[in-house]
Amino acid sequence: NAGVTQTPKFRVLKTGQSMTLLCAQDMNHEYMYWYRQDPGMGLRLIHYSVGEGTTAKGEVPDGYNVSRLKKQNFLLGLESAAPSQTSVYFCASSSRDREREKLFFGSGTQLSVL
Amino acid sequence: DAKTTQPTSMDCAEGRAANLPCNHSTISGNEYVYWYRQIHSQGPQYIIHGLKNNETNEMASLIITEDRKSSTLILPHATLRDTAVYYCIVRPRSGLGSGGSNYKLTFGKGTLLTVNP
Repeated sequence: NAGVTQTPKFRVLKTGQSMTLLCAQDMNHEYMYWYRQDPGMGLRLIHYSVGEGTTAKGEVPDGYNVSRLKKQNFLLGLESAAPSQTSVYFCASSSRDREREKLFFGSGTQLSVL
Repeated sequence: DAKTTQPTSMDCAEGRAANLPCNHSTISGNEYVYWYRQIHSQGPQYIIHGLKNNETNEMASLIITEDRKSSTLILPHATLRDTAVYYCIVRPRSGLGSGGSNYKLTFGKGTLLTVNP
C-alpha cells in the first residue's frame, strides 16, 4: 500500500522562483492537509481540504496556495519562493468516519530557498 | 486546545517498557488525548488516542489518570526502531459533518525517546 506519496522529496529553489508540491493518497480519504516543520516549531498547518474542490487556510497560509481538483490529490504551490519558506513539508490525509483523527502522513519534502 | 507538557528527552533500554508521560492539567471534558510519533526523517505516525478509559492497540497502551490531567504512553517492549520523537496532543473530537478546521492537530515539541541496545 502506497498510502500518502509526496513528490519531490528534495528541492532547491532560488528566491522568487515558483514550484508545486504534489501529494497523492490512495486511501479514498476525504480530508487532506499540508503542514510545514521547522526546528523548534513543531508542525504547523498551512492549508487543508475537506473534500474535492474545497480548500481552507490553516495557521500559516501566507505565501502558499493549494488546489484539490481530484479527491486523491492535494497540491501546494509557492508562487514566489522566499528564504523563510525553507522547511520540511508534510502532507497528510484522514477519513471522515470514526477514524478521522487518525492522520496518515507522507514522508516529507525538504525544500531549500536560497 | 489544552496545553500539554512533556519531558524533552528520555532513554530506555531495548526490550524494556518505555513509559512516556504527558501533563495536560487544563484538559476539558470533551478533549481527547492523542499520541503520534516521528521517526527521524519520516512523517509523523499515529499511535493511539483515548478520552478517559485506558486504551491498548498493537503498538502501545495509553493510561489516562482518573482526573484526566495526565497520561502515560506505554511501549511494552521497546526496540531500537522505537527511537523517535513522541507527541502528546489534546484536542476535542469533532462531530460528524464538521469542517476540517476541527481536525487540526497542533504538534508541540514532543519527547525524544532514545532506545539503547
